[in-house]
Amino acid sequence: AQSVAQPEDQVNVAEGNPLTVKCTYSVSGNPYLFWYVQYPNRGLQFLLKYITGDNLVKGSYGFEAEFNKSQTSFHLKKPSALVSDSALYFCAVRDGTYKYIFGTGTRLKVLA
Amino acid sequence: SAVISQKPSRDICQRGTSLTIQCQVDSQVTMMFWYRQQPGQSLTLIATANQGSEATYESGFVIDKFPISRPNLTFSTLTVSNMSPEDSSIYLCSVEWGQPRYGYTFGSGTRLTVV
Repeated sequence: AQSVAQPEDQVNVAEGNPLTVKCTYSVSGNPYLFWYVQYPNRGLQFLLKYITGDNLVKGSYGFEAEFNKSQTSFHLKKPSALVSDSALYFCAVRDGTYKYIFGTGTRLKVLA
Repeated sequence: SAVISQKPSRDICQRGTSLTIQCQVDSQVTMMFWYRQQPGQSLTLIATANQGSEATYESGFVIDKFPISRPNLTFSTLTVSNMSPEDSSIYLCSVEWGQPRYGYTFGSGTRLTVV
């Protein structure tokens, strides 16, 4: 069965430091992977996706993610965190149909 | 990407009543999706709404509790019926966009509290 795991409920990082939010997946076939961000009292916003091609995907707001097939991971990264990056981040995988499976979410807290 | 207007943004309802959530998209889309996000949890797909046919419900969700309408290619409603406090959640509509058609756009969500 398709699944997505976000092993960290919360990640704390100091402003200006690099950040990583982890995601691992389990799918049959080629994975279509996504990251979304949810700010308080808002819907989810698309950050980036991996469909095929270059393993390093660049997205909105300076975020990027690295697809690693051997480790079945799709970690979200940013070289220098901002306080305004503090939000809830969801990893998702498309299950081969039109359905998406979402991870449990990781709350990112960037400390000034 | 598509732009989705969802309303109401929040509501506080009495148990036993019903609430209808509206979702308007600025372009025509084949499928619209309704999700529930319970407090502190991830997103769970409730159903998929296609224009001109009955919605397809996921396991654990039934039409009597969550009736959905899809009268045209830009609009859908989700009704939460006979509400109980366990229905307190954020409800989100979404559409898939882009070519190839991968990636969701979400509405801003409806925060429902049942008292």
